[in-house]
Amino acid sequence: KAGVTQTPRYLIKTRGQQVTLSCSPISGHRSVSWYQQTPGQGLQFLFEYFSETQRNKGNFPGRFSGRQFSNSRSEMNVSTLELGDSALYLCASSLADRVLGNEQFFGPGTRLTVL
Amino acid sequence: QKEVEQNSGPLSVPEGAIASLNCTYSDRGSQSFFWYRQYSGKSPELIMFIYSNGDKEDGRFTAQLNKASQYVSLLIRDSQPSDSATYLCAVNRGSGFGNEKLTFGTGTRLTIIP
Repeated sequence: KAGVTQTPRYLIKTRGQQVTLSCSPISGHRSVSWYQQTPGQGLQFLFEYFSETQRNKGNFPGRFSGRQFSNSRSEMNVSTLELGDSALYLCASSLADRVLGNEQFFGPGTRLTVL
Repeated sequence: QKEVEQNSGPLSVPEGAIASLNCTYSDRGSQSFFWYRQYSGKSPELIMFIYSNGDKEDGRFTAQLNKASQYVSLLIRDSQPSDSATYLCAVNRGSGFGNEKLTFGTGTRLTIIP
C-alpha cells in the first residue's frame, strides 16, 4: 500500500506571496492532519480534516487554511507569507477509527522557505 | 508547564545496551500515545503506539504507559547504530472518536555508540 505523498517537496517563496501544498493520504484513510515543524517550536498541529470537514484546528492565524476533497486528498494554503512561515509542513493520514485505531502516518513533508 | 515533556538529550547509549526514553504529559484526557522516530532531514516514522496501561512489546521496542502518573516510556533493547535518531513522544486526546490532534514533545536525541 502506498504511503502518504506530499507535493511539492520543496518550495521557495517571497514574503507576501501565497502557497498551496498538497497531500494524498494512504488509501482508505479519511482523516488528514497538517503539522508545522520548526527548530524553535517543534511539531505543531495546524488542523485535521475528516470526510471533507475540518474537525480540529490549532493555534495558527487565519492565513493558514485547508480543505479536503471527496477522495480524501487535502490541500493547505498559506496566504501573505511571512519569514516565520519557513518550516517543514507535514501531512499525516489516519483511519481515525474507534475500533481500527487512530495512528497517524506522516508523509515526507514540504520544505517551505520564505525569502 | 509544557503539555508533553521529554528530556532533549542528547542521550548516548553503547551499542547492544538498552536505551530508555521518557515522556510525561499534562492532559489527563489523553487517550492514545505514540512514539515516532525522526532521522535528520526526514519526516517522523511511527514506531510504537499504546492505548492501555501497562507494557506493549514489538520486537526490540517496548512502550510503557502509566496513566495515573501521566507517564509514557520507550525502551529499545539491543540498541543498534541505526537507532540513532530523535525520538518524539506524542499524545492524542482522541481515540478514533474525533478530536484527533497529536501534541508532540520536543524530542530526545539518541546516539548509539559503536
